[in-house]
Amino acid sequence: LAKTTQPISMDSYEGQEVNITCSHNNIATNDYITWYQQFPSQGPRFIIQGYKTKVTNEVASLFIPADRKSSTLSLPRVSLSDTAVYYCLVGAANQAGTALIFGKGTTLSVSS
Amino acid sequence: DGGITQSPKYLFRKEGQNVTLSCEQNLNHDAMYWYRQDPGQGLRLIYYSQIVNDFQKGDIAEGYSVSREKKESFPLTVTSAQKNPTAFYLCASSRGQGYTGELFFGEGSRLTVL
Repeated sequence: LAKTTQPISMDSYEGQEVNITCSHNNIATNDYITWYQQFPSQGPRFIIQGYKTKVTNEVASLFIPADRKSSTLSLPRVSLSDTAVYYCLVGAANQAGTALIFGKGTTLSVSS
Repeated sequence: DGGITQSPKYLFRKEGQNVTLSCEQNLNHDAMYWYRQDPGQGLRLIYYSQIVNDFQKGDIAEGYSVSREKKESFPLTVTSAQKNPTAFYLCASSRGQGYTGELFFGEGSRLTVL
């Protein structure tokens, strides 16, 4: 199972772009990279997922270099409501039920 | 709407009592998971199940038990053997064939031992 490492916390101001990097040096060929957002007393919710290169959706972008040993979640123009914990998860495709281990996540604090 | 329902949302228990947390999903997902979260901590895996009548221990299974008699249901029992059960418990599910890493979470159950 690929272990992930993220910064414990990050601070930002409203309107700035925030980049959170996750290291996963022993990622396997079948692994996808998924990012989740969690607010206090709620379950995490899916933000974005990718396998390689760049993925973009309406809320974020995910950059994955060619060696796939790291990934960067990019949140454009953050607002106060983006204050949350962000988790990077690396999981094997086509192996449902495989133990999926979350790290401690990155606590993002956005100030006005 | 499809989703995962956890109940109860809040639960209080006396020491020495077993409690069961319910998790039901109508997403037709094969795999289901239970996580525990303590204040300021990440999610730790308790148990997971790939199919009906099968489940595996996660990192912190001691003091917990589960069953998977139906595809839709994956209840978690916190037994009196769990030494520090006060925590936030999260249930999740994922697709079977073709799974690519997306977990769907319930809203959680907060257990407090008095």
